[in-house]
Amino acid sequence: DVKVTQSSRYLVKRTGEKVFLECVQDMDHENMFWYRQDPGLGLRLIYFSYDVKMKEKGDIPEGYSVSREKKERFSLILESASTNQTSMYLCASSRVGYGYTFGSGTRLTVV
Amino acid sequence: AQSVTQLDSQVPVFEEAPVELRCNYSSSVSVYLFWYVQYPNQGLQLLLKYLSGSTLVKGINGFEAEFNKSQTSFHLRKPSVHISDTAEYFCAVLRYSGNTPLVFGKGTRLSVIA
Repeated sequence: DVKVTQSSRYLVKRTGEKVFLECVQDMDHENMFWYRQDPGLGLRLIYFSYDVKMKEKGDIPEGYSVSREKKERFSLILESASTNQTSMYLCASSRVGYGYTFGSGTRLTVV
Repeated sequence: AQSVTQLDSQVPVFEEAPVELRCNYSSSVSVYLFWYVQYPNQGLQLLLKYLSGSTLVKGINGFEAEFNKSQTSFHLRKPSVHISDTAEYFCAVLRYSGNTPLVFGKGTRLSVIA
């Protein structure tokens, strides 16, 4: 069964910490994406990547960065976590022109 | 650019009743259309998709959707819902050409009442 795996289901971090959210896919997909999901706002795209070492800003990249050193792994980095980054973070992957496969999500709380 | 409007943020419905979740989209180019479902504390799961061909698309769990190009709609329907259908449903569009991200609607929370 094909999978997108997010390393943590729940995470609690302190304000100002550097936070790494990891995502791994085993489908050899070219594209990978990071979204955050907040009540009433739906899914908002943070960053995406079409290939190794490539990245593109989404709709809300401020306060985040990403890394894609290998095709199967796409990391989201919160440089200095803030309370307004408390959210559900969803990773997804896809082939070009197809729909997405999502991970189970990481619920991040910043205190 | 594409945009998606889900016309209802919440839809309560009694068990075994029919339901329709509405989705309209806007795009200057041809698009593929998707519905995803998210059960509590889980990621999104593909329910169904329209790529081409028949405008009536059948998905998992008894759901279906109809693509209406003239009305730019892709409404999701189920003739008889179950308690287990309680979830959030997202409509999304993807451009035919180019490698651009899916654009999602804001979601519709379906609550099935016993």
